[in-house]
Amino acid sequence: LAKTTQPISMDSYEGQEVNITCSHNNIATNDYITWYQQFPSQGPRFIIQGYKTKVTNEVASLFIPADRKSSTLSLPRVSLSDTAVYYCLVGAHTDKLIFGTGTRLQVFP
Amino acid sequence: DAGVIQSPRHEVTEMGQEVTLRCKPISGHDYLFWYRQTMMRGLELLIYFNNNVPIDDSGMPEDRFSAKMPNASFSTLKIQPSEPRDSAVYFCASSFGGLGIQYFGAGTRLSVL
Repeated sequence: LAKTTQPISMDSYEGQEVNITCSHNNIATNDYITWYQQFPSQGPRFIIQGYKTKVTNEVASLFIPADRKSSTLSLPRVSLSDTAVYYCLVGAHTDKLIFGTGTRLQVFP
Repeated sequence: DAGVIQSPRHEVTEMGQEVTLRCKPISGHDYLFWYRQTMMRGLELLIYFNNNVPIDDSGMPEDRFSAKMPNASFSTLKIQPSEPRDSAVYFCASSFGGLGIQYFGAGTRLSVL
């Protein structure tokens, strides 16, 4: 399983774009990159998944460079309600997911 | 669908007592996972099932922990006897056709006194 490294915490202000980068140098050919969001007292919630290039949904965008050794979760115009822990996970669909420490995002008014 | 349903939401018990946590996965999902989350260790996978069969229980901390999935719509995680260090939030999650996207329940907050 590919190990991931992401910042422990980030601060932002409402209305700003937030980019959280995850490093996964030993990603394998069959691995996908998946991001989850967790609010206090709740279970993690799937945000977005990608394999290469760019993926966008109604919540976020995921940018993956050609070498796939890193990925960036982009949250456009964050609000206070985006304050949460964000986890980057890498693995094939047949692997068990390993959650790291995540990135604690704090959004200020 | 109501999502993954866990019960109880909170459990307070005394050391040595048996604790049973329950989970109802999303209908049609063929994978079920049990996780434990603490401040110190983060979110840990304990065990997961595929089509009601345990596939990987390497995360189960010790013999005091056991999990069953008697049918596609129900699973239990049992701790017997419970110890204070078992205090944590226990999450159940389910997915369809693989482990890529998992849907988590609201969790059970367990306190062992």
